[in-house]
Amino acid sequence: QKEVEQNSGPLSVPEGAIASLNCTYSDRGSQSFFWYRQYSGKSPELIMSIYSNGDKEDGRFTAQLNKASQYVSLLIRDSQPSDSATYLCAVVQAGTALIFGKGTTLSVSS
Amino acid sequence: EAGVTQSPTHLIKTRGQQVTLRCSPISGHTSVYWYQQALGLGLQFLLWYDEGEERNRGNFPPRFSGRQFPNYSSELNVNALELEDSALYLCASSLIGWYEQYFGPGTRLTVT
Repeated sequence: QKEVEQNSGPLSVPEGAIASLNCTYSDRGSQSFFWYRQYSGKSPELIMSIYSNGDKEDGRFTAQLNKASQYVSLLIRDSQPSDSATYLCAVVQAGTALIFGKGTTLSVSS
Repeated sequence: EAGVTQSPTHLIKTRGQQVTLRCSPISGHTSVYWYQQALGLGLQFLLWYDEGEERNRGNFPPRFSGRQFPNYSSELNVNALELEDSALYLCASSLIGWYEQYFGPGTRLTVT
């Protein structure tokens, strides 16, 4: 099975800073990429989807995709304590399964 | 718009027993997915149902099975429960296969 890799963290940033979360994937044929946020004890919440190379912005969130480097990232601008959560990168593999990374824990201190 | 719903919220079973978990997708969504999230193992894909048929399954034994009903709701059945089946079971739905998936709150299964 192809893999999705993320640094487990924790990634600690001060309130108001930019948090940068990274993800690499091994299936070169992947076309669909997602970022989910999961608070402790809760289910994952979809925050971004990206399908084409480049940047996609939604509010304070920007997803970046580079298919040649097999790399996806999520930037969170003006980080807030409420952004403290685990962020999961997910990649559709060959149109048959959604493979998740193990997640990066983000901690935003006030 | 109502989100994905799952029942029950929590479940405690004994090793060797059988369990059925239920999921109702977002209205209009035809694809339903089941995932297992065990401690330390991350989210693992279990099953994908679309238009009433099983389309794909992850690397799980046959004692994990399910079905999708004509109204697109779904059941996950786990037979001969083992201690390592203790996990959060998550259901997700999407408008079409492998498009954006939205998760339900999950069912926490504890096997003793």
